[in-house]
Amino acid sequence: GPKVLQIPSHQIIDMGQMVTLNCDPVSNHLYFYWYKQILGQQMEFLVNFYNGKVMEKSKLFKDQFSVERPDGSYFTLKIQPTALEDSAVYFCASSDRGQDTQYFGPGTRLLVL
Amino acid sequence: QQKVQQSPESLTVSEGAMASLNCTFSDGTSDNFRWYRQHSGKGLEMLVSIFSDGEKEEGRFTAHLNRASLHVSLHIREPQPSDSAVYLCAVGDLPGTGSNRLTFGKGTKFSLIP
Repeated sequence: GPKVLQIPSHQIIDMGQMVTLNCDPVSNHLYFYWYKQILGQQMEFLVNFYNGKVMEKSKLFKDQFSVERPDGSYFTLKIQPTALEDSAVYFCASSDRGQDTQYFGPGTRLLVL
Repeated sequence: QQKVQQSPESLTVSEGAMASLNCTFSDGTSDNFRWYRQHSGKGLEMLVSIFSDGEKEEGRFTAHLNRASLHVSLHIREPQPSDSAVYLCAVGDLPGTGSNRLTFGKGTKFSLIP
């Protein structure tokens, strides 16, 4: 089936530093998403993005978070500065239309020390 | 705010037995309901989506939705060893932005006794 790639698969970073998580969505998809999963808890919606804009974000999407997809390249999640509670697995997803199936990547495991 | 709960937390069945996984949600006005599964260390694999009350079959996987009961289930027919994974229920909402927001349950860990 359609594949979403995420780079890197693992990232260890010191608290306060900036981190960028990269997502290579399914080509020709138009809607992009980030979800966060803390160890042992369910996956939670962070943000969705369409036509260069954030459409909706949850309360987990703090001011330190930002997303962009410049010129059809990677869809990125940037955290600046990072905090200990940002340690989690971050999943990217994409869909063709808003209500269509979201295809997920394998996740980036972020550890903030 | 939508709340999604899955049961059981783990399920082990023998080969050849039908497997049934349950999911309850708090808001019956949601737009779409999906079952994914996740093999260890991998991304989510889409199994079946259902949008209206009743049944939807995709291969060996069948979803049943009953909005009035706030319940959606997944049945796995003739489970195979490769079906061993964590199964996730996701409830989708389209809040007018045109972009779907999925709320997930914690998952059911499914495994097969050969």
